Amino acid sequence: EIVMTQSPATLSVSPGERATLSCRASQSVSSNLAWYQQKPGQAPRLLIYGASTRATGIPARFSGSGSGTEFTLTISSLQSEDFAVYYCQQYNNWPLFGQGTKLEIK
Amino acid sequence: EVQLVESGGGLVQPGRSLRLSCAASGFTFDDYAMHWVRQAPGKGLEWVSGISWNSGSIGYADSVKGRFTISRDNAKNSLYLQMNSLRAEDTALYYCAKVALGEFDYWGQGTLVTVSS
Repeated sequence: EIVMTQSPATLSVSPGERATLSCRASQSVSSNLAWYQQKPGQAPRLLIYGASTRATGIPARFSGSGSGTEFTLTISSLQSEDFAVYYCQQYNNWPLFGQGTKLEIK
Repeated sequence: EVQLVESGGGLVQPGRSLRLSCAASGFTFDDYAMHWVRQAPGKGLEWVSGISWNSGSIGYADSVKGRFTISRDNAKNSLYLQMNSLRAEDTALYYCAKVALGEFDYWGQGTLVTVSS
């Protein structure tokens, strides 16, 4: 059974700085990985699919990389609206989410 | 515009049943797989169940296997989740989600299920 592990659990970053979030799969999921953003009281929003493809309408400051078992979501210059919880999800098999990373203002 | 609207949540006693519905519009429903995802209060996302476009492939999380049943009615553009033998740990906001290539590109706003005596 695949396990998805996100790190860190909480990341404190100042606006305008870069944020790097990690996601590790316990076995290869190829490039079948997505990233979602969730703000309080809202449904999750798809950011990245296929490990590195931005979803429709997602700003270019969001980028994804990796394949196999190691993945990264990078937000190049944090805006106030980017502070939220981020989840990775593998869909190589039946879907599975990581436990989330809370991105907070430093 | 794609819309997913969940309904059927509420307060239910442990051991009882509840049926959730998800009404879809704005896309060709029978072209896409659909899933249920839940989120317990203050917790992360948990995949619950998924169903292929023609109901030929169905999957469940171990935590609900044998108690929950997913189904769809393509003629009614609707997705369902029959939840039996409910437990306190099933308390959550239940989202339905549309699949694109494998990722979930659209989500509903969720329906809250509370299991308590």
